[in-house]
Amino acid sequence: AQKITQTQPGMFVQEKEAVTLDCTYDTSDQSYGLFWYKQPSSGEMIFLIYQGSYDEQNATEGRYSLNFQKARKSANLVISASQLGDSAMYFCAMRVWNNDMRFGAGTRLTVKP
Amino acid sequence: NAGVTQTPKFQVLKTGQSMTLQCAQDMNHEYMSWYRQDPGMGLRLIHYSVGAGITDQGEVPNGYNVSRSTTEDFPLRLLSAAPSQTSVYFCASRLDSSGNTIYFGEGSWLTVV
Repeated sequence: AQKITQTQPGMFVQEKEAVTLDCTYDTSDQSYGLFWYKQPSSGEMIFLIYQGSYDEQNATEGRYSLNFQKARKSANLVISASQLGDSAMYFCAMRVWNNDMRFGAGTRLTVKP
Repeated sequence: NAGVTQTPKFQVLKTGQSMTLQCAQDMNHEYMSWYRQDPGMGLRLIHYSVGAGITDQGEVPNGYNVSRSTTEDFPLRLLSAAPSQTSVYFCASRLDSSGNTIYFGEGSWLTVV
């Protein structure tokens, strides 16, 4: 079964500090993709970063990086230099070849001034 | 570029009523899908379509129908609404099954009383 687990229902971080949001996954497929999305209070889902299972380098997009540890089946999101606008729900998701996405339950991040 | 457009944004239904959530995309994407998001949970796939005329069930399809008569439109029908279908519904599209960039609509808040 394909499953995504986010064990942190809520996280707090001080503005300008870095924060790591945890994500572990379970799949028996060799080819898969891992995503992180941000959902602000307005509700829309915003794509942040993608990591393919065969990518050797960790993905980075601006202040976002994905710490991909394949053997541990983890895909943690690191946000550097947190900003107040980063306060939102964050979802980890997995896509298996030709299937759609499985999402975790999400982590609510609050950035404190 | 409108992206993915969902209507209505808010709807209240009585138990047993039927309704259709509309979803349209103007990016010529082959792959479209519907998700529901319940409190404390990630998005769960209801139905998806890999192209016009082709649909398939996702993780939680019961109580919903879909059709894909055109590339642009992917409506979701609730046949006989139940309180358990109270949720936020998201439509999403991507270029094709292997596409990594997924575009979400803004969500439709549905309450069944």
